[in-house]
Amino acid sequence: KAGVTQTPRYLIKTRGQQVTLSCSPISGHRSVSWYQQTPGQGLQFLFEYFSETQRNKGNFPGRFSGRQFSNSRSEMNVSTLELGDSALYLCASSLAPPGTGTYEQYFGPGTRLTVT
Amino acid sequence: AQSVTQLDSQVPVFEEAPVELRCNYSSSVSVYLFWYVQYPNQGLQLLLKYLSGSTLVKGINGFEAEFNKSQTSFHLRKPSVHISDTAEYFCAVSSVSGNTGKLIFGQGTTLQVKP
Repeated sequence: KAGVTQTPRYLIKTRGQQVTLSCSPISGHRSVSWYQQTPGQGLQFLFEYFSETQRNKGNFPGRFSGRQFSNSRSEMNVSTLELGDSALYLCASSLAPPGTGTYEQYFGPGTRLTVT
Repeated sequence: AQSVTQLDSQVPVFEEAPVELRCNYSSSVSVYLFWYVQYPNQGLQLLLKYLSGSTLVKGINGFEAEFNKSQTSFHLRKPSVHISDTAEYFCAVSSVSGNTGKLIFGQGTTLQVKP
């Protein structure tokens, strides 16, 4: 079974631009979560989706948005990029609904975004 | 609110020696506990998890962890490490209630296994 795939793997953008990152969950998984990983702040939760509905949102500005499609694929968008948005963005998928005891998250390899 | 503290940022150890990576957490609600490993240029891989029941949890690659509710700790151990265990290790918690799988991570511990 294929794992979580994220595209693109690497991305370089300029301050002020916007970017869209894509995540394809494991086949059959309906929960998708996004995390930002930086050396300074570590791993921080961005969003969580289940069946196209945002179930939870982390403490990030409104420039960060996401969505989930009917096939469970998810995208996240960052508008008006800042230097501090440079990070590894990780997507995770799960078979079970969020918060259930069997909710085990499988992570993708991440998209490394560099903002110059 | 929950928080996770990994007490060591780096742990150097010789090959075939035992290792313990320490994790303490703080939470006002019941939590599930996890250990993840991250190899260079890769995502996170689940090593083990504590949901309920026996406080000693066995995971992949010979790792185990013990949940101590009174100490609010979830330390990760391996009796004999290999060079291939060199990686970043993350302890994480998520709330049992609230219909969310949101993970709160510690800052990570770099395990350096020397030959």
